[in-house]
Amino acid sequence: NAGVTQTPKFRVLKTGQSMTLLCAQDMNHEYMYWYRQDPGMGLRLIHYSVGEGTTAKGEVPDGYNVSRLKKQNFLLGLESAAPSQTSVYFCASSYSAQSRDRGNQPQHFGDGTRLSIL
Amino acid sequence: AQKVTQAQTEISVVEKEDVTLDCVYETRDTTYYLFWYKQPPSGELVFLIRRNSFDEQNEISGRYSWNFQKSTSSFNFTITASQVVDSAVYFCALSTQGGSEKLVFGKGTKLTVNP
Repeated sequence: NAGVTQTPKFRVLKTGQSMTLLCAQDMNHEYMYWYRQDPGMGLRLIHYSVGEGTTAKGEVPDGYNVSRLKKQNFLLGLESAAPSQTSVYFCASSYSAQSRDRGNQPQHFGDGTRLSIL
Repeated sequence: AQKVTQAQTEISVVEKEDVTLDCVYETRDTTYYLFWYKQPPSGELVFLIRRNSFDEQNEISGRYSWNFQKSTSSFNFTITASQVVDSAVYFCALSTQGGSEKLVFGKGTKLTVNP
């Protein structure tokens, strides 16, 4: 019963390094999201995807790229990490077209990735 | 634009006290959805409730209750007889129709329940 799985859970990078965060969901959800959580700021949407092969910008997209090549995976990339990107990153997924409740469905969150940029 | 305001940054109570967490939202959409999530010290986000804009019935689930009032654009959350395990950060969130269901979160209220 995995739900939403984020890899890695922790990472320390040096400024300028690149890395990719992986999010995988096994609920056949159409929509996937990447949020960042900073102290006193709540969660803010970075990028999201409403289906395989589609992505869109959220509230704070600068410095990040995403890809959704497979329905179950949503990758978040940092091309050149900056200290301002030190944060906890959460992936989420929602909406199954097969669900009986076609109305708005709750987002299911991964456990988060704690990323520090030195 | 959508906005969620949780004016209470931190609340501290003694066990068994009742506590209400406030949430005020802004949206021009007539169809929208409101959520509460709990984030315990371990860090994960736990879904508590979803409400759609057409359903103003209050809801009770054990010690938890929610009061949705469209007239004041509020969706408040009350914990009755609080327990130490209720200590967490609580987030209120809003989404509107439009095909993506992305959430706008408030900044959260940190609740500490002291024994």
